[in-house]
Amino acid sequence: DAKTTQPPSMDCAEGRAANLPCNHSTISGNEYVYWYRQIHSQGPQYIIHGLKNNETNEMASLIITEDRKSSTLILPHATLRDTAVYYCIVRVATWGGAQKLVFGQGTRLTINP
Amino acid sequence: GAVVSQHPSWVICKSGTSVKIECRSLDFQATTMFWYRQFPKQSLMLMATSNEGSKATYEQGVEKDKFLINHASLTLSTLTVTSAHPEDSSFYICSARDSGSGYTFGSGTRLTVV
Repeated sequence: DAKTTQPPSMDCAEGRAANLPCNHSTISGNEYVYWYRQIHSQGPQYIIHGLKNNETNEMASLIITEDRKSSTLILPHATLRDTAVYYCIVRVATWGGAQKLVFGQGTRLTINP
Repeated sequence: GAVVSQHPSWVICKSGTSVKIECRSLDFQATTMFWYRQFPKQSLMLMATSNEGSKATYEQGVEKDKFLINHASLTLSTLTVTSAHPEDSSFYICSARDSGSGYTFGSGTRLTVV
């Protein structure tokens, strides 16, 4: 089962910052938080990931709380092309070493003109 | 960046036949690949972890004899849906662990069984 909880849907105005929350209260100390997005009928696209510290790249920023029980993905200037389902995922380690991504239900983000 | 190619992008097959889906890492080697399926308006469900040179590890509830996975090289994993039925119609997506900490996904295969 997924270890994350996200709101099912959100709206944001074009040009504004989109802040997507995620709860992962049962996260373990060595488990990373990943964010992906999926545009209709395509494979998921990597956005960003982090462990403890806040991270930023050309797409987004990831803010992780100090207790690591929640995080927020920030798209600084949302465009219409950012409309997608956003998945917050805790990477899960398995017996034997494989580390897999188990998807939750995600947040459907709609950017409005 | 890392690229994963999935083929075919869509396929229609008759009930009772088998369908093979290929997943290739184009510019990196992947000892581990993952197979997901996704029904309309639902999230991705992990089916199995594909390990190069060894048997795949299936998630609970996934029939290993129905969904055959072969990972014969460091750049290719295949998923064969055997004796396909209409309820197997779905969007199948693979991903590969790249050389960094990322997981690159293929573009998916839409399977329709008629």
